[in-house]
Amino acid sequence: QAGLTQPPSVSKDLSQTATLTCTGNSNNVGDEGASWLQQHQGHPPKLLSYRNNNRPSGISERFSALRSGNTASLTIIGLQPEDEAVYYCSAWDSSLNTWVFGGGTKLTVL
Amino acid sequence: QVHLVESGGGVVQPGRSLRLSCAASGFTLSSHNMHWVRQAPGKGLDWVAVVFYDGSAKFYGDSVKGRFTISRDSSKNVLYLYMNSLGPDDTALYHCAREDGSPGGFDVWGQGTMVTVSS
Repeated sequence: QAGLTQPPSVSKDLSQTATLTCTGNSNNVGDEGASWLQQHQGHPPKLLSYRNNNRPSGISERFSALRSGNTASLTIIGLQPEDEAVYYCSAWDSSLNTWVFGGGTKLTVL
Repeated sequence: QVHLVESGGGVVQPGRSLRLSCAASGFTLSSHNMHWVRQAPGKGLDWVAVVFYDGSAKFYGDSVKGRFTISRDSSKNVLYLYMNSLGPDDTALYHCAREDGSPGGFDVWGQGTMVTVSS
């Protein structure tokens, strides 16, 4: 199945703001929207947002998601050392009847 | 407490079969779409399969279609993944995951069970 496109890496300074992007098409991101997952090394992924900007309970308000057309974005404000992780976007593709993931963006907090 | 615990992984020869299990606690499998997602060592997430909450549909990723089968036992609250014709590219950590909403997000994950396909 065709995957979603994410930049492989992003580096930002501590306390700054990072915006991660995820590009799909009208059958996935542009249709039902995207969800975002955070994965630290050696741990399973953790859901940060779904259907563009619904945050599960316990997820910091520093994380916010948006969608514009076929591109979803995750913005993290006030970067902390613990935000250093790999971030994945995912979406249901209504044309393929499959879920698709992005390749992941490695966020480095300097 | 909501938990998912996978089991059944191991080392298997190419061409052989394996069955993975995912025991759910704290919620009912039949209330959620349930997924298998795998991650090869050092690689990204790869969606494998879903069974809809009401059992009305099952869908598979292209790389496993025709070889893998997802199913569940509602009486035991256990999710399964039957894997046939395994190849080296199937080597990965296999997670089961719960979907919140439809479509929603994968809000609960197990720790995973490792499958290594090697002769």
